[in-house]
Amino acid sequence: NAGVTQTPKFQVLKTGQSMTLQCAQDMNHNSMYWYRQDPGMGLRLIYYSASEGTTDKGEVPNGYNVSRLNKREFSLRLESAAPSQTSVYFCASSGFGGGHWEQFFGPGTRLTVL
Amino acid sequence: GENVEQHPSTLSVQEGDSAVIKCTYSDSASNYFPWYKQELGKRPQLIIDIRSNVGEKKDQRIAVTLNKTAKHFSLHITETQPEDSAVYFCAANEGGYTDKLIFGTGTRLQVFP
Repeated sequence: NAGVTQTPKFQVLKTGQSMTLQCAQDMNHNSMYWYRQDPGMGLRLIYYSASEGTTDKGEVPNGYNVSRLNKREFSLRLESAAPSQTSVYFCASSGFGGGHWEQFFGPGTRLTVL
Repeated sequence: GENVEQHPSTLSVQEGDSAVIKCTYSDSASNYFPWYKQELGKRPQLIIDIRSNVGEKKDQRIAVTLNKTAKHFSLHITETQPEDSAVYFCAANEGGYTDKLIFGTGTRLQVFP
């Protein structure tokens, strides 16, 4: 049981380049999320998906797109990267386990945009 | 939408002392309040949570209290140890009927031996 996995762990992009961050969970959770973490700003929700086939904007969706490919996978795409998107990106999923609801985080992707 | 404020942003305590972190929320419909601990370079991990039908919950050295009327909740860590040093985040669910969490900006706790 790997939990929530993310790839890549690190990425450096030049302004204007595009890339996709991958996320997968093996806990059979319906809900999945993408957050960005910046110093002093906490965890800000970019997009979330309450179930396969649905996605909704969070607090900071501009410049990003998402795809809920199936129940397991939720990807985040930067079409034209900007320096302001330099951040640590966390994917998460939520659901019940052992009678307890919890949101589980992936290990994160550290993205630098030059 | 929901807004969560967290204080203080940094907290330094001596080993063995207690630490208290406070959060306020704006959405009266929120009914789930988790606390996450994030060690340096690691992912956030849930340490304790509380639902709006209880006022206090304890788990060994950590406890969370909730005041629904005042819309604030607090994390209490007793007998702090150096391994408690980390960034702590509070959160509240938006709307009360969703599992979408809004996080506070975090508290960096340093425990000095």
